[in-house]
Amino acid sequence: KNEVEQSPQNLTAQEGEFITINCSYSVGISALHWLQQHPGGGIVSLFMLSSGKKKHGRLIATINIQEKHSSLHITASHPRDSAVYICAVRSTLSGGGADGLTFGKGTHLIIQP
Amino acid sequence: EPEVTQTPSHQVTQMGQEVILRCVPISNHLYFYWYRQILGQKVEFLVSFYNNEISEKSEIFDDQFSVERPDGSNFTLKIRSTKLEDSAMYFCASRVAGAHEQYFGPGTRLTVT
Repeated sequence: KNEVEQSPQNLTAQEGEFITINCSYSVGISALHWLQQHPGGGIVSLFMLSSGKKKHGRLIATINIQEKHSSLHITASHPRDSAVYICAVRSTLSGGGADGLTFGKGTHLIIQP
Repeated sequence: EPEVTQTPSHQVTQMGQEVILRCVPISNHLYFYWYRQILGQKVEFLVSFYNNEISEKSEIFDDQFSVERPDGSNFTLKIRSTKLEDSAMYFCASRVAGAHEQYFGPGTRLTVT
């Protein structure tokens, strides 16, 4: 069974700060997702990674498969980035359509103006 | 841009009643999922569905739960006899064949009283 751990659980920062959220997992994966959940509850997919690094606007996601670790970075953070950021993985034990994701508990990020 | 839709957005039901939560996945997607999130907890996988059958289900998905794709567009989750502990946000997701990225619906908040 894959365990997904995120840190920190809560993070409050000032507008403009560089933000890093970490995710580690216990078994091999075929894909890792970074998701964003706003107070209304809806979930938005930010990135899907299987190796290396991806960048979208001010968001950067990296993954180190050997170390079983991923990071989500936000540059020039803004109050509208305030949300819960969730890491979720698809285990390599899954095959075909059997690919339900295992989720971390999320990191609650607040960016103060 | 195509999106996953879910209805209703909020459902209130009495303990012991049957509920059906509805999802319309993105039209060319072939893999479908249900997840749930109890208030204050992490998102949990319930079931995945492909080619008109369940591909994988979690321990949570017991005999009280069932899924169906009654026509070419809807994907439903039925809870036969609701319990208080079924109160949660239920998310539907879908993905296209050959890609890992899952697209999430906005969720249905189920409240069992």
